[in-house]
Formats: sequence, structure tokens, C-alpha cells
Amino acid sequence: KQEVTQIPAALSVPEGENLVLNCSFTDSAIYNLQWFRQDPGKGLTSLLLIQSSQREQTSGRLNASLDKSSGRSTLYIAASQPGDSATYLCAGRVYNFNKFYFGSGTKLNVKP
Amino acid sequence: EAGVTQFPSHSVIEKGQTVTLRCDPISGHDNLYWYRRVMGKEIKFLLHFVKESKQDESGMPNNRFLAERTGGTYSTLKVQPAELEDSGVYFCATTQTTPYNEQFFGPGTRLTVL
Repeated sequence: KQEVTQIPAALSVPEGENLVLNCSFTDSAIYNLQWFRQDPGKGLTSLLLIQSSQREQTSGRLNASLDKSSGRSTLYIAASQPGDSATYLCAGRVYNFNKFYFGSGTKLNVKP
Repeated sequence: EAGVTQFPSHSVIEKGQTVTLRCDPISGHDNLYWYRRVMGKEIKFLLHFVKESKQDESGMPNNRFLAERTGGTYSTLKVQPAELEDSGVYFCATTQTTPYNEQFFGPGTRLTVL
């Protein structure tokens, strides 16, 4: 069974700071990993999807990496803005299991 | 293109009553998933449809939960009878049938059982 852990549970930073969110998983037989953001009372918005054959993916100010050997993924946010404030979730899919295992999320607050 | 939609957005019911949640997938998405997030816990998988067939229902908590997907289009999740511990947010997600399987989530249904 895949266990997904996200550290820290909460993070508060001043606007403009670069930051890294961490996601670790126990099963290295990971097929892909997806990062989401969730705003209060809303659904999940897909940010980036990394396949096991890739090491990183970029979208705008976001960069996600995947290291299967160490069981880690990171989401790098450059030049953070107050609009980035949300809960960020990572979810990993294991080979032969067509479902995602979620972490508990990191609640990010970017202060103006 | 319309995203995944869910109805209702909120539902408050008494213990012992029945509730039916609905999910309408993105057009052309054969894979449909139900997930649930209970207070303070991570989002957990309930079940997976491929078109109208249940592919994996290993996450369904018990036989009070019944999911259907009529004609491979929309899906319903019925809870009967509801218990207090069923309270939480129920999410639906869909993907195309490709090797990449990026999941697109609906806004969720918040269920409160009193």
C-alpha cells in the first residue's frame, strides 16, 4: 500500500519568497504523481502531472520534480504571491493500481 | 469544455436517511473515480468505473454505499442508511483512457449527517 506524506502541514511566507513543498511516498513503483491546489470550499485544481519516466515538469512559476529512488517529489513555487495561498496536495499512482493515494496536504499562506 | 460537475454541493441529512450524490464527467472521459475526505484525514479512494463497469471498489467502506454509472455517463453514489461517520466531502474525478491519466476533479459534495 502506498503511503504519501506531506511536510510541512502548514507554511507561512512573505510575498516574493521562493518556496518548496515536499511530498514523500513509500512505494517506489510509482507510475505518476500529480500536484493539486485546493482553495477553501472548492474542488481540486490540477497543477502538474509527472510521469515516472520524467524527472520534472514546469508550468509558469511552478516546477515539480520526482525522484523515485528516494521516494520524493517537490513542488517549487517561485516568487510567491498572495494568490498562491491555498492547500497543496500531492497524489501518487502505483503501477497496476488505477487510483491515486493522497497526502494530507500543505496549507500555504503567502502574506502581502 | 465543461469540467466535472457534482450535485448537490451540500447535503445535510439525519442519521438513517438516504442520500444520493451525482457526478457528471467530462465528455469522453471513460474513467470515473469517487473519493472521500473525512474531517482531518487525507482524501481516500472509494471506487473506480471504466465506462459502466466497476473496475475497483476496494475503497468502499461497507454495503451501505452503492455506486452506479448508467450507460457509462453520469454516476451516482447512494448512502443508505447514512451514519454519522459518513460525514465528509465526496469528490468525483475523471480521466481519459490514456497512459497519462491526469485526473480532473469536481468541486465535491459536502455531506453532513446529524
